[in-house]
Amino acid sequence: SFELTQPPSVSVSPGQTASITCSGDKLEHKFASWYQQRPGQSPVLVIYQDTKRPSRIPERFSGSNSANTATLTISGTQSLDEAAYYCLAWDSNTAVFGGGTKLTVL
Amino acid sequence: EVRLVESGGGLAQPGGSLRLSCAASGFSFNSYEMHWVRQAPGKGLEWVSYISTSDTVIYYADSVRGRFTISRDNAKNSLYLHMESLRVEDSAVYYCAREGTEMVRTFDLWGQGTLVTVSS
Repeated sequence: SFELTQPPSVSVSPGQTASITCSGDKLEHKFASWYQQRPGQSPVLVIYQDTKRPSRIPERFSGSNSANTATLTISGTQSLDEAAYYCLAWDSNTAVFGGGTKLTVL
Repeated sequence: EVRLVESGGGLAQPGGSLRLSCAASGFSFNSYEMHWVRQAPGKGLEWVSYISTSDTVIYYADSVRGRFTISRDNAKNSLYLHMESLRVEDSAVYYCAREGTEMVRTFDLWGQGTLVTVSS
């Protein structure tokens, strides 16, 4: 079955760039989306169709997808970006989430 | 205000049943495909089920197929999930999520979730 693999945790210093990866078989041929979930809150869409950003999401969030790996990049990371991040892709008629990555801003 | 509000969660015994509801407001509910997504305590997100705008197309995750039934009432702006033969591993926060019309296969709006606990 189709699976998406994310690192369990990523750490970044404030103001630096954080990159979170999501790997899956032939992922470059599927659209990936990314969701931010702060503790105790519902998920929020931050990137869709690999690279697009909803209007309410800050420009420091960007995405890419190539060679089996989708990447969420957060430039100039701020403390409020500390959260869990989940990638999502579809395999036929099934939505598959990655296991999630806890981003720590130290 | 555009929002989704889930209800119906609670404590159920293994083998029991529960019906979740999701009330939509602030947008044309009948124009949007809808989903249920769950999250076990301390775990990641798991997609559960999908329903098309006119409920002609429905999909389920393997883990719930045959036990859960998704439905919708466009006249009441509501989405439902009927859960039967509940298992301990079905314990989770259940979110309803809207699929974006221009963001295909993307969940652009989430509810606050309702907690289901399956325990004897």
